[in-house]
Amino acid sequence: KQEVTQIPAALSVPEGENLVLNCSFTDSAIYNLQWFRQDPGKGLTSLLLIQSSQREQTSGRLNASLDKSSGRSTLYIAASQPGDSATYLCAVKDWAGANSKLTFGKGITLSVRP
Amino acid sequence: EPEVTQTPSHQVTQMGQEVILRCVPISNHLYFYWYRQILGQKVEFLVSFYNNEISEKSEIFDDQFSVERPDGSNFTLKIRSTKLEDSAMYFCASSSGGHLQETQYFGPGTRLLVL
Repeated sequence: KQEVTQIPAALSVPEGENLVLNCSFTDSAIYNLQWFRQDPGKGLTSLLLIQSSQREQTSGRLNASLDKSSGRSTLYIAASQPGDSATYLCAVKDWAGANSKLTFGKGITLSVRP
Repeated sequence: EPEVTQTPSHQVTQMGQEVILRCVPISNHLYFYWYRQILGQKVEFLVSFYNNEISEKSEIFDDQFSVERPDGSNFTLKIRSTKLEDSAMYFCASSSGGHLQETQYFGPGTRLLVL
């Protein structure tokens, strides 16, 4: 059974700092991995999706990498801003099909201090 | 930009009552999902739905749960007899399908409180 872990559970950094959020998964036979942002009491906003054949994806100040063999992904946030404060979730899709379920980690709650 | 919508945003019900949570997926999407998130816990998969039938369901999705696409736009989750432990945020998601279009887009959620 796939398990997704995100450590630490919370992170507080000063504005402007570059930071890395980690995600690990137990079964490397994944179809893709998706990073989401969740603001308090809100839904999930998709940030980046990395196919299993890809090593990284970039969108603006965000860069996500994937090392499937070691079961790890990182989300790099450059020049963090207070508006980046949110919970960041990673989720993997197992090799059961393009539209199979996502298995989520518990998330990392990021606080960027002005 | 198209988005998934859900109604109601909040629902309070008594234990044993039936609730129906409603979702309008993105219009050209073919695959639909329900997930839930108990306060402080992980987002958990409940069920996926394609071509008017359930594709996959989790252990959580027992006989008390059902899904339906009653018309061309709505996708509903029904809980027949709610329990206290059904209190959670319920998220609907949809995807268009196919190798390069499998990003799942999530709605804002319905917060269900069972008393």
